[in-house]
Amino acid sequence: DAGVIQSPRHEVTEMGQEVTLRCKPISGHDYLFWYRQTMMRGLELLIYFNNNVPIDDSGMPEDRFSAKMPNASFSTLKIQPSEPRDSAVYFCASSFRIRTLLTDTQYFGPGTRLTVL
Amino acid sequence: AQSVTQPDIHITVSEGASLELRCNYSYGATPYLFWYVQSPGQGLQLLLKYFSGDTLVQGIKGFEAEFKRSQSSFNLRKPSVHWSDAAEYFCAVAGLNTGGFKTIFGAGTRLFVKA
Repeated sequence: DAGVIQSPRHEVTEMGQEVTLRCKPISGHDYLFWYRQTMMRGLELLIYFNNNVPIDDSGMPEDRFSAKMPNASFSTLKIQPSEPRDSAVYFCASSFRIRTLLTDTQYFGPGTRLTVL
Repeated sequence: AQSVTQPDIHITVSEGASLELRCNYSYGATPYLFWYVQSPGQGLQLLLKYFSGDTLVQGIKGFEAEFKRSQSSFNLRKPSVHWSDAAEYFCAVAGLNTGGFKTIFGAGTRLFVKA
């Protein structure tokens, strides 16, 4: 399996522009997570899905952020409009429910490094 | 409040020397504990996890961690470090609360390995 795939790997955009980050989870995984990593705040869980349904979006920082999972093999994280403080590395991860969500292993993608000028 | 503390921002060890990375957590219920490694430009990879049973957990790449409830610690160890172990290491705690599933990561410890 190719693992979790994220695109693009790097994104540079100007303040005010819309940014869309993409994620393809590992086939067969039923949970998908979006994380953000910054120097100041470390790694934060933004939102997670189960069977394409958003379960908890309490980590989404503002209404400018939205995430969708139209099918089991694709998810997007959108920022509109983007701001310089959104600059971070965004990770997508997926897992397969073997036992419990707490103990299942999450597999991380390589991340998208977003720079908002 | 739930929290994870990794007291060491960075650590330098010589190749072949032993390693211990510290992790302390604060969590009101039974913690589910993880160690991840992140190589430059890569995502996080799970090294090991603990949720019950034997408090000494074996992981991949020769790593192990010991859960000590009395000290609220979950320190990561390796008896002999290899140059390829240079990376950033994250301790994490997962749990369920009224807000649902949460994973909290520590700030990370960057490991440097010198020849």
